Amino acid sequence: EPEVTQTPSHQVTQMGQEVILRCVPISNHLYFYWYRQILGQKVEFLVSFYNNEISEKSEIFDDQFSVERPDGSNFTLKIRSTKLEDSAMYFCASRGRGQADNEQFFGPGTRLTVL
Amino acid sequence: SQKIEQNSEALNIQEGKTATLTCNYTNYSPAYLQWYRQDPGRGPVFLLLIRENEKEKRKERLKVTFDTTLKQSLFHITASQPADSATYLCALVKGYSTLTFGKGTMLLVSP
Repeated sequence: EPEVTQTPSHQVTQMGQEVILRCVPISNHLYFYWYRQILGQKVEFLVSFYNNEISEKSEIFDDQFSVERPDGSNFTLKIRSTKLEDSAMYFCASRGRGQADNEQFFGPGTRLTVL
Repeated sequence: SQKIEQNSEALNIQEGKTATLTCNYTNYSPAYLQWYRQDPGRGPVFLLLIRENEKEKRKERLKVTFDTTLKQSLFHITASQPADSATYLCALVKGYSTLTFGKGTMLLVSP
């Protein structure tokens, strides 16, 4: 069964460093998302991406964040200068067009720890 | 902005009983609402969607209701099993299908 994959599973970085989180969405999907979940908190929307551009973003997704689909398979989230409060689980999700229930398929997540 | 409230306390039930989880929201009524399951350290997994013009939806042992007057959705698991133990997330859909999640309710099913 096709699935969304994410790498790395755990990333530890120093405050102020840049990190890139990688995702491989399901191959025929067209809509891509990043969410984050701070430990013990709810899953929060960051950004959605369609047709090679950002379609929606939340207040969390400020200038420190960027997304890219550098090739036909990868979808990346970059945080330019990490802060302690960026420590969270980051989930990538994808969705196909015309799915009856508009379900999003989530990856297993990348746990980001900023020291 | 949209606010979503789910039972904040964990729900403990015995195997075989029906679990009922609540999702209340404020402000606008979404076009549709989804329920996801999340296991510890894992990503959410889609379970069911219900549209604003649907009162009830079923899938195997799962049932979801949607009351746009009360601004509430109920999620039921009948004949619950220990394997149903997880956190269940309610999510409202807006825009390009971006999801606004509730904090979730942890369900513990004891044998």
